[in-house]
Amino acid sequence: GQQVMQIPQYQHVQEGEDFTTYCNSSTTLSNIQWYKQRPGGHPVFLIQLVKSGEVKKQKRLTFQFGEAKKNSSLHITATQTTDVGTYFCAGQLAGGTSYGKLTFGQGTILTVHP
Amino acid sequence: DAGITQSPRYKITETGRQVTLMCHQTWSHSYMFWYRQDLGHGLRLIYYSAAADITDKGEVPDGYVVSRSKTENFPLTLESATRSQTSVYFCASSESGTSNYEQYFGPGTRLTVT
Repeated sequence: GQQVMQIPQYQHVQEGEDFTTYCNSSTTLSNIQWYKQRPGGHPVFLIQLVKSGEVKKQKRLTFQFGEAKKNSSLHITATQTTDVGTYFCAGQLAGGTSYGKLTFGQGTILTVHP
Repeated sequence: DAGITQSPRYKITETGRQVTLMCHQTWSHSYMFWYRQDLGHGLRLIYYSAAADITDKGEVPDGYVVSRSKTENFPLTLESATRSQTSVYFCASSESGTSNYEQYFGPGTRLTVT
């Protein structure tokens, strides 16, 4: 079945450092979504990428979708303590009837030291 | 606007007992999902539903049963709880008929099986 691998599993940074998490799918994706989960909270949607090579920015966050639509990355510039949490990528399989079903990566747990 | 709610928020049960986790959404979303979250595994799909009376298995369905008699409710039942089902369970919903399958998550149920 479809697999979405995400690395690293953990990342510790000093406040002000940059952070990147990477996501790779075993199959071509229709789109990829990113979610953030604060400690003790639930996943919250951040963004969706649909087009090959697409790049989107949200303030200090930059999201990229690979040309082959099989990989993606999230980069945070100058991390802040408010960035702590787990970041998940989630891919929707290309083709077929997937009922909006997403396959989530394992998540990257980000810790920011002040 | 209540959004999506789950109950109970915390549950301790014994091995072999049947337990039902409730999920209710007020948006009339067609699609609903049940995930379990375990460290190192991210979010794994248990069951999903495209509409009332339409359900299908996800990645880890064994030991679980779902029903969807009404659009707004999607209960998850553990028929005979096992310790391996100790986890945090999230319900989610998303709209139908749109290209954006963003999922909205409930607050989660933390289940401990002793």
